[in-house]
Amino acid sequence: QKEVEQDPGPLSVPEGAIVSLNCTYSNSAFQYFMWYRQYSRKGPELLMYTYSSGNKEDGRFTAQVDKSSKYISLFIRDSQPSDSATYLCAGTKTSYDKVIFGPGTSLSVIP
Amino acid sequence: EAGVAQSPRYKIIEKRQSVAFWCNPISGHATLYWYQQILGQGPKLLIQFQNNGVVDDSQLPKDRFSAERLKGVDSTLKIQPAKLEDSAVYLCASSLVMGDGYEQYFGPGTRLTVT
Repeated sequence: QKEVEQDPGPLSVPEGAIVSLNCTYSNSAFQYFMWYRQYSRKGPELLMYTYSSGNKEDGRFTAQVDKSSKYISLFIRDSQPSDSATYLCAGTKTSYDKVIFGPGTSLSVIP
Repeated sequence: EAGVAQSPRYKIIEKRQSVAFWCNPISGHATLYWYQQILGQGPKLLIQFQNNGVVDDSQLPKDRFSAERLKGVDSTLKIQPAKLEDSAVYLCASSLVMGDGYEQYFGPGTRLTVT
């Protein structure tokens, strides 16, 4: 079993839709959780990170962590074509430990 | 603020040849990471430096891969000899300090094709 799993997609939504991206992890020691966005032929770009369980909001993006079910979500409101990218979730035990990435979910927002 | 710089952006080599990648992290960032990202997979950490010392190289195939970070700034990653399965994007990332592992900044990557 891989430590971080994601549905690879592709996920296709119309512009303006609410997007829900999900991720599961197996390592119960994970405390930090991250979402990265990766455009084609570019490096990953950090969207947000959260510590432990709970929600965190940044503009149109909301990250949600449920440690009891080992489930991580990223919600994108009012999705835009510029949101079309691969979204990588990741986790780590402490801020000093190796970060484990999921395989990513490919998202297309259609104008 | 300038981002993480990497070169070359693309490289095509034959198997058994050698190749080297260069990375210049964000100015002032003490921690530098090299990742391997195979198509359809997430980045996998190869090696992590804190200044010019190695923190974690547990997933680096040391029989063929080597990396160094002289003077605690720029870093090079070398593969010698390359195998077909080394075809991937090699990403360099940096963070301000080691305790900021959850806030890494990535470069654009070097896309390696081994034929």
